[in-house]
Amino acid sequence: DQQVKQNSPSLSVQEGRISILNCDYTNSMFDYFLWYKKYPAEGPTFLISISSIKDKNEDGRFTVFLNKSAKHLSLHIVPSQPGDSAVYFCATHGGSQGNLIFGKGTKLSVKP
Amino acid sequence: EAEVAQSPRYKITEKSQAVAFWCDPISGHATLYWYRQILGQGPELLVQFQDESVVDDSQLPKDRFSAERLKGVDSTLKIQPAELGDSAMYLCASSYTSGGDTGELFFGEGSRLTVL
Repeated sequence: DQQVKQNSPSLSVQEGRISILNCDYTNSMFDYFLWYKKYPAEGPTFLISISSIKDKNEDGRFTVFLNKSAKHLSLHIVPSQPGDSAVYFCATHGGSQGNLIFGKGTKLSVKP
Repeated sequence: EAEVAQSPRYKITEKSQAVAFWCDPISGHATLYWYRQILGQGPELLVQFQDESVVDDSQLPKDRFSAERLKGVDSTLKIQPAELGDSAMYLCASSYTSGGDTGELFFGEGSRLTVL
């Protein structure tokens, strides 16, 4: 059973508009969440993270929101740019050894 | 900027053959991870090393997969014999520490395996 769920396989957005990518998790003990971005034929690269003691973390055009009661987080990209087109993975430090558990990813396409 | 190095980038092999992947983590990173990403899925952990010791290999198919990090630096992941279902991207990552810390993992560019 998936512990981190990204229920939207794909998202298409117009350049300049907001992109909202969603992620749900099952275990309320998860306390740190990360977003990774992946281009084809490349490894994932870290984008932004949030601790469970916060409900928002912002870095430039990227903001992550955490709703602990709903076990839900979202990544907002404003304004979206064509270079943001990639697969975005939500992840959490779910294991006792510090490894990451990933969702299936959401493919974002930003159209000019 | 320091990077995780992986080779080969692409590997095509026939089923039942042996294949090996190599990873050199960022200098000073004690923890090394091998993940497998099947198309349309997220990366899934195969094995995690702390220095030269395996700390988690619960998802490694040990009948055909093996991994080692003999000197606690670079690592090799081997598959023998390869099966059609092993076709995937094999990702190596490293981090400075482990054990539930909040540090990010740094990924290499991956090794794309195609088994025919």
